[in-house]
This record gives sequence, C-alpha cells and structure tokens, in this order.
Amino acid sequence: QKEVEQNSGPLSVPEGAIASLNCTYSDRGSQSFFWYRQYSGKSPELIMSIYSNGDKEDGRFTAQLNKASQYVSLLIRDSQPSDSATYLCAVKRNNDMRFGAGTRLTVKP
Amino acid sequence: EAGVAQSPRYKIIEKRQSVAFWCNPISGHATLYWYQQILGQGPKLLIQFQNNGVVDDSQLPKDRFSAERLKGVDSTLKIQPAKLEDSAVYLCASSLAPGVNEKLFFGSGTQLSVL
Repeated sequence: QKEVEQNSGPLSVPEGAIASLNCTYSDRGSQSFFWYRQYSGKSPELIMSIYSNGDKEDGRFTAQLNKASQYVSLLIRDSQPSDSATYLCAVKRNNDMRFGAGTRLTVKP
Repeated sequence: EAGVAQSPRYKIIEKRQSVAFWCNPISGHATLYWYQQILGQGPKLLIQFQNNGVVDDSQLPKDRFSAERLKGVDSTLKIQPAKLEDSAVYLCASSLAPGVNEKLFFGSGTQLSVL
C-alpha cells in the first residue's frame, strides 16, 4: 500500500463544473495535509493546507479532511481552464512529508 | 520577495559522469529540502537541512549523492557517478521553520537527463 495514494487521472471536467480530487493516506499519525498544484514543467505551489477534521474554504477551493477514514479531498468550484494541472496531495507527520503521485486535471472550455 | 533560486535549469550528462546543482532559498528560511521527482511521480525527499545541519537524509543514496549547506544559506547537491535512473527533476524547497504547519516554497527545479 502506498503511503499517499491518489488516482492518477486524467480527470476531465467541463468549464464551470466542480472538480473533486481525492487522496488517502496510510499513516494514522499524520498531522497536517496539503494540496499543491503543479503545472506541466513547473514546480509545485501550495494552494491549500488543512490540519483538523472538517472543511476549509479558500475562494473556489475547499479542502476536506476525515482523519478517521484517512481521507483528504480538494474541491474546485467553477473550474476554469487555468486550473488544468496536476494536483499533489502531501501528508506530514513531524518532519516527514510524503507526496502522492498526483492527479492530472483537465478543464475543458 | 524573491523566491527559491535554482541552477542550472537543465543538465544533460552521460552515465558515470558527475553533476552538481545549486539552490538559494528564500531569505530567512532556515529549513531547506532537496526533492527528486521522477516523471509521473510525486516528489521524493532526498535530504532536509535545518540551518546547516542535516535533519533527515534517510532516503539519500549516499554512495553516489551528497549535499551540503555551508553557512546555513545556499546548498549544493552532487551526484557522482550518475546512473540512468537518476534522470529526474531535482527540486529545492525552503520554509521558515520546521513544524506540522510549515509551508514549503519550491524552486523551478533542475531537469537532469542521464544518457
């Protein structure tokens, strides 16, 4: 079992729709959770962080965390073509941060 | 605010050659990371520095990889000798300080091709 697991995609949604990206993790002691966006040929950039169970909203982005189910998700509302990228889930315990392989999202105009 | 600077942007070498990458973190960031990202995979931590001390190098292939962060600012990562499987993007990242809430800022990376 991978430590941080994501569907590789590609996930394709029409412009204006909600994109839902999912991530599961194996370490129950994980303390903090991050979503990074990586455009093709570029470096990852942080878009959301979440530390406690529930939802956290920031603009069009909502991160959801369920520690009991070891599950974290990212919702992107009103998806735009500029959201087309690979989304990396990262999970941290103490100094140890592990990344998933990422889900490739394509938003079609 | 200047971001994390890395050079070179691209490097092509033959197997068994050596190569070095350079990173200058965001000013004031005490923690510096080197990640390896193979095509289609997520970044994998190679080494983490806190100031000029090593915090974690458990996944660094020490028989061929070495890294240093003299004076606790910029850092170099070296591979000697390189293997075909070292072809990847090498990302440098920095953060203000370690902790569960820390946010990493990545440089643009060095894309290494080993032929």
